[in-house]
Amino acid sequence: QKEVEQNSGPLSVPEGAIASLNCTYSDRVSQSFFWYRQYSGKSPELIMSIYSNGDKEDGRFTAQLNKASQYVSLLIRDSQPSDSATYLCAVPNQAGTALIFGKGTTLSVSS
Amino acid sequence: DTAVSQTPKYLVTQMGNDKSIKCEQNLGHDTMYWYKQDSKKFLKIMFSYNNKELIINETVPNRFSPKSPDKAHLNLHINSLELGDSAVYFCASSPGTRSYNEQFFGPGTRLTVL
Repeated sequence: QKEVEQNSGPLSVPEGAIASLNCTYSDRVSQSFFWYRQYSGKSPELIMSIYSNGDKEDGRFTAQLNKASQYVSLLIRDSQPSDSATYLCAVPNQAGTALIFGKGTTLSVSS
Repeated sequence: DTAVSQTPKYLVTQMGNDKSIKCEQNLGHDTMYWYKQDSKKFLKIMFSYNNKELIINETVPNRFSPKSPDKAHLNLHINSLELGDSAVYFCASSPGTRSYNEQFFGPGTRLTVL
């Protein structure tokens, strides 16, 4: 059974700083990786997907993948109070029939 | 327009009752899912379903049963509700028949069993 590990936090950063969120996974054959953001009382929403080693940038967000180290991270540049949420890392299960989520990292950005 | 919708948003009921949660997606996706998010915010798959295949997480009690009248709907029926069933239930959908693609979540149904 795949496992996805995240530091639950909370991770506190000041406004304008870079927030770094980390995720490790147990299955070496994983090919797809997803970051979801979940505001309190709301549903998860996809913010980044990454499939290849290296960096993928989308606005203030950068996903970094290192398959050899089984590690995926999310960097949020110029953090804003509106970024305060729980960030969930997810990978497909071995059969590809569902996502396995980490327990999430709670980010708090103070103004 | 809402892509993935669920009803009801809140559901409060007594132990032992039977209840259903409805889910509809207008994205034309092939696969739909039910997830459970417990009080510790851990999001866990319960079922995935497309028109050919129902995959049940082996840890899900058989009191839970998904029902799909058509490709755009996947309802969740729960028999003999227990206190431990209290959680937020999310429906989701994705294109294709496997979960390697993006999944889109509904707003969730908060179930409270008294």
